Amino acid sequence: KAGVTQTPRYLIKTRGQQVTLSCSPISGHRSVSWYQQTPGQGLQFLFEYFSETQRNKGNFPGRFSGRQFSNSRSEMNVSTLELGDSALYLCASSLLQGAGNGYTFGSGTRLTVV
Amino acid sequence: GQQLNQSPQSMFIQEGEDVSMNCTSSSIFNTWLWYKQEPGEGPVLLIALYKAGELTSNGRLTAQFGITRKDSFLNISASIPSDVGIYFCAGSNGGATNKLIFGTGTLLAVQP
Repeated sequence: KAGVTQTPRYLIKTRGQQVTLSCSPISGHRSVSWYQQTPGQGLQFLFEYFSETQRNKGNFPGRFSGRQFSNSRSEMNVSTLELGDSALYLCASSLLQGAGNGYTFGSGTRLTVV
Repeated sequence: GQQLNQSPQSMFIQEGEDVSMNCTSSSIFNTWLWYKQEPGEGPVLLIALYKAGELTSNGRLTAQFGITRKDSFLNISASIPSDVGIYFCAGSNGGATNKLIFGTGTLLAVQP
């Protein structure tokens, strides 16, 4: 059974640019959540999608957005990149909505903003 | 952003030793989870706890859901080199629209 697939694995962008990250959940999983991981702030929740609808959102500026497609694949977009957006972005999927059952995480996309 | 307090921050131990780490919160949770993260990978779920006082094992790992619902503990017995990684606790209040609040992490290094 394939795990959660995130692409690309590594990305280098310049300040002011925008970036789109992709996540394919485990087959059959309908919930996709995104987290940002940095040394200073640790793992922070960005948003959760279920059945193509955003169900919950963390405390991030509007430059961070996402969407989910009918096949449950999800993308997140960060516009007007800042140096502080450099982080490991993790996608996680679960069968049901919500975090209580524990997620399966992907390996992440390492974004570096220069 | 919110993070749970995890201690110790790091541990450097010899193979075969037992390990204990804990996680505390200022608010209660209905679910406690423990994850392990290795370099270059995402966190992997180790143990999930759903009831105050619950004690659950997964091989050499044992975790407990604190009675106050504000803390959780993870023990690793007879550590081996592949136990190396960062261990995170996470709390959730369940429900349909919820998220995980993660701990600050405990870095474990095991010397053969």
